[in-house]
Amino acid sequence: GQQLNQSPQSMFIQEGEDVSMNCTSSSIFNTWLWYKQEPGEGPVLLIALYKAGELTSNGRLTAQFGITRKDSFLNISASIPSDVGIYFCAGQYNFNKFYFGSGTKLNVKP
Amino acid sequence: GAVVSQHPSRVICKSGTSVKIECRSLDFQATTMFWYRQFPKKSLMLMATSNEGSKATYEQGVEKDKFLINHASLTLSTLTVTSAHPEDSSFYICSAQILYGLAKNIQYFGAGTRLSVL
Repeated sequence: GQQLNQSPQSMFIQEGEDVSMNCTSSSIFNTWLWYKQEPGEGPVLLIALYKAGELTSNGRLTAQFGITRKDSFLNISASIPSDVGIYFCAGQYNFNKFYFGSGTKLNVKP
Repeated sequence: GAVVSQHPSRVICKSGTSVKIECRSLDFQATTMFWYRQFPKKSLMLMATSNEGSKATYEQGVEKDKFLINHASLTLSTLTVTSAHPEDSSFYICSAQILYGLAKNIQYFGAGTRLSVL
């Protein structure tokens, strides 16, 4: 079955540092989505990617759709305390169900 | 982004009772909605795909008679946990899919429902 690996599992960083996380898949996707989830809430969409090589920014967040269509990464620049949360990647092929990564828990020290 | 409303946000019920959770797309029509279950510190586990006007497609291992899904309109899907037991206690989240053109697809999530079965 479909395997989607997300790393790292957790990160502890200092405010102001940059962050990078990524997801890799065992097969190709044609949609990658990145979400942030805070405790007790549903995931909130951050960035959507639809083409191999696509690089998209949303404020301090930047995400890229890998050339092989099997990976994606999310970068957060100049982190702030409100960036704390769990970040999930989600991949989809041909409008079928989405597969989710296991999440990256981000902790930011003021 | 689009708004998905999920209700209730929290429910406590006695073992053996049934609980209904509603998922509404407020400003768009969603032909497809998804229901997920999330355990503490874990990722989202897809339970079923709900298509308007047809039977839901359940993932392997999810009991369709236990988790009844109805998608009666383009803006409403419901999940009913029948004869709930303590092991059904969990965080349930719905999402709605929007298609933008031929190749772009986004999934928006509700805020989730915390179910506690006593």
